[in-house]
Amino acid sequence: KQEVTQIPAALSVPEGENLVLNCSFTDSAIYNLQWFRQDPGKGLTSLLLIQSSQREQTSGRLNASLDKSSGRSTLYIAASQPGDSATYLCAVTTGRRALTFGSGTRLQVQP
Amino acid sequence: EADIYQTPRYLVIGTGKKITLECSQTMGHDKMYWYQQDPGMELHLIHYSYGVNSTEKGDLSSESTVSRIRTEHFPLTLESARPSHTSQYLCASSGSSGADEQFFGPGTRLTVL
Repeated sequence: KQEVTQIPAALSVPEGENLVLNCSFTDSAIYNLQWFRQDPGKGLTSLLLIQSSQREQTSGRLNASLDKSSGRSTLYIAASQPGDSATYLCAVTTGRRALTFGSGTRLQVQP
Repeated sequence: EADIYQTPRYLVIGTGKKITLECSQTMGHDKMYWYQQDPGMELHLIHYSYGVNSTEKGDLSSESTVSRIRTEHFPLTLESARPSHTSQYLCASSGSSGADEQFFGPGTRLTVL
């Protein structure tokens, strides 16, 4: 059974810092990995999708990497801003094309 | 504009009532999903569908049922709501192009008294 773990569970940083969020998964037989953002009481916003054949994806200040063989992904956020405060979720797609989620990293960026 | 919609956004209801949570998407996607998220907890898949007349149960056991009569519509029904059903329910869809990127609706926050 696929399990997804995210470290750290919570993170508080001052504005402007670069930061890294970590995600690991137990079964490397994935189709892709997605990073989402969730604001309190809201739905999920897709940030980045990395196919299993890819090593990284970039969107603006966000860069996600994937090492499928070791079951790891990182989300790098450059020059963090207070508006980046949210919970960041990592999820992998397996055989049924449904997502298995980690428990998330709660990020607080202090002005 | 292509999007995924959920109604109602918030629902407070008494025990024993029958409820239907609506999910519709205008993205032309074949695959649709329901996830459940208890406060402060992980999301878990409860139902999914690959297309019309196709529905399957997910990882988390749920007393809810779903139907897929039209491609764009994937409603979730609870025949008799109980306080243990209090949760957030999130609907998602993805295409069949191979990318499988999932897009989520805003969610329905259900409270059963």
